[in-house]
Amino acid sequence: QKEVEQNSGPLSVPEGAIASLNCTYSDRGSQSFFWYRQYSGKSPELIMSIYSNGDKEDGRFTAQLNKASQYVSLLIRDSQPSDSATYLCAVNILNTGNQFYFGTGTSLTVIP
Amino acid sequence: NAGVTQTPKFRILKIGQSMTLQCAQDMNHNYMYWYRQDPGMGLKLIYYSVGAGITDKGEVPNGYNVSRSTTEDFPLRLELAAPSQTSVYFCASSSPQGVVTGELFFGEGSRLTVL
Repeated sequence: QKEVEQNSGPLSVPEGAIASLNCTYSDRGSQSFFWYRQYSGKSPELIMSIYSNGDKEDGRFTAQLNKASQYVSLLIRDSQPSDSATYLCAVNILNTGNQFYFGTGTSLTVIP
Repeated sequence: NAGVTQTPKFRILKIGQSMTLQCAQDMNHNYMYWYRQDPGMGLKLIYYSVGAGITDKGEVPNGYNVSRSTTEDFPLRLELAAPSQTSVYFCASSSPQGVVTGELFFGEGSRLTVL
């Protein structure tokens, strides 16, 4: 069973705060890790990808990966109301035909 | 630039009916995927394809079938619809580079209700 677990939330943070989203995965064959954002009624869109241990920063977003702990997280700094969405963690298990497995998502609300 | 096109966008089925959700992409992508998303949940992989003529099961394939006769099209067939198949269905595609970088192109989704 290739499981991706997320804290389901909902998570509420005030505008300008840091939002922290967490994800764990069960399959040690997972090689690539992604965060997708999904606005209500819309399709998911890729916001971050990370492949190696450590931090990766892109603007207000920082993804963190710890393969030993099978843990990946997303930090959103200076949260804005427009960040209010569901955030989906996904892993790509390359030796299984490039299947993408998604977590259940964390709903984030940024309060003005 | 159409990207990934799904039809229909909405459909109501009666229990036991069958239907096909259509998915077409115009980006010449090898990889195509079907997901379902239940309310408040993440995406569950139903079937996927790595190229024309090649399909394989994902996490939740029961009650569904797919075919991939061309690179562009990846229809999802629901046989004997059940209320448990009420969901939003997303089709996605990707290139060989995109599956490494996580760049899945999603359709707008098809909302299916089985009554």
